Amino acid sequence: DAMVIQNPRYQVTQFGKPVTLSCSQTLNHNVMYWYQQKSSQAPKLLFHYYDKDFNNEADTPDNFQSRRPNTSFCFLDIRSPGLGDAAMYLCATSDSGRFYEQYFGPGTRLTVT
Amino acid sequence: SQQGEEDPQALSIQEGENATMNCSYKTSINNLQWYRQNSGRGLVHLILIRSNEREKHSGRLRVTLDTSKKSSSLLITASRAADTASYFCATEPINDYKLSFGAGTTVTVRA
Repeated sequence: DAMVIQNPRYQVTQFGKPVTLSCSQTLNHNVMYWYQQKSSQAPKLLFHYYDKDFNNEADTPDNFQSRRPNTSFCFLDIRSPGLGDAAMYLCATSDSGRFYEQYFGPGTRLTVT
Repeated sequence: SQQGEEDPQALSIQEGENATMNCSYKTSINNLQWYRQNSGRGLVHLILIRSNEREKHSGRLRVTLDTSKKSSSLLITASRAADTASYFCATEPINDYKLSFGAGTTVTVRA
């Protein structure tokens, strides 16, 4: 089945220790999104790729970066995680963006100790 | 940024009852979407309603959209325990394709 896969499902990192979360998709969608979701809150868009074009949200901290080496994979790098970065990180894809629904992965729960 | 606001924040109903939740938004939209999120999981798309549509059905789901009031409602009929989840509305603004999510309504269906 076509899907969006996120690894790992649970990630524990130490304060200040870089961490990378990965997302892959078999849907061949050209748009990939990264969201941060804290408990009982709305998903907050961090950035997205439209094909190879990277689009950062204005309020996304510099601590967060992303890479998309090919259509199928996208990575979220947190350079120096702080306690406030503990959250669920959701990857989503869509086909050409407008008027299309987004397909979400199961998420990665990040804990910062 | 978060555009949608959902009401109520939480809802508890008995199995078999209907659940209704509302979403209000601020700017003009291309479409409005509803998503479900089970605890600790990703979001699942339920239904998309375009700005020129007023009502849409999918199985036990009924969505309405009133663009003059900038509001939408999601009705789940004959609820089941498996419907226990958080439900989010998301709006796609005109001139953009990025979705803006509301804070969600948590629905608990009691057996």
